[in-house]
Amino acid sequence: RKEVEQDPGPFNVPEGATVAFNCTYSNSASQSFFWYRQDCRKEPKLLMSVYSSGNEDGRFTAQLNRASQYISLLIRDSKLSDSATYLCVVNLGPTSGTYKYIFGTGTRLKVLA
Amino acid sequence: DTEVTQTPKHLVMGMTNKKSLKCEQHMGHRAMYWYKQKAKKPPELMFVYSYEKLSINESVPSRFSPECPNSSLLNLHLHALQPEDSALYLCASSQDSAGTGGKLEYFGAGTRLSVL
Repeated sequence: RKEVEQDPGPFNVPEGATVAFNCTYSNSASQSFFWYRQDCRKEPKLLMSVYSSGNEDGRFTAQLNRASQYISLLIRDSKLSDSATYLCVVNLGPTSGTYKYIFGTGTRLKVLA
Repeated sequence: DTEVTQTPKHLVMGMTNKKSLKCEQHMGHRAMYWYKQKAKKPPELMFVYSYEKLSINESVPSRFSPECPNSSLLNLHLHALQPEDSALYLCASSQDSAGTGGKLEYFGAGTRLSVL
């Protein structure tokens, strides 16, 4: 089983739709969680951190469920510019005194006009 | 200056060549990372430096040799690579190596490497 798994998609949704992605992780000792966005042939960009209490940033809402070991990202009122690959990242906690950040497989989103 | 700069942007090399990738940040971050990303795959962790010391090596072949000459600079020396090593090589930095609340906030734009 991979350490961090996502449905690769693609998710094709019309503009204005609400779309949700899930990400599961296998290591229960994982300490922190993030969502990144990556456009084609570009570097990943940090979208938001994910907190146990849930957090929102504009149209984006992230949730963490430690008991079931998954995180989610909800995008409301999708825009064409939201088309990208969304990667969840899990911090496995200190290894040799350093954080180890592991990427999920990524979910591709296409927002259609 | 909140950015990570990688050079070169593109690199084509033969299997017998020796080349180096460079990564620089001036944010005072003490942890720096090398990731490798193949097409349509997620980034895979290669190396982590913490306070200029190699702290994680994800069983990377010895034809890849990292170096951290100072707290702002990270190099990846390449020698005798194989065509399957062709990929996007990404550098990232984070403020805190093992305190609480760390995040991998900044990635460089990457070096797109082709091995012929």
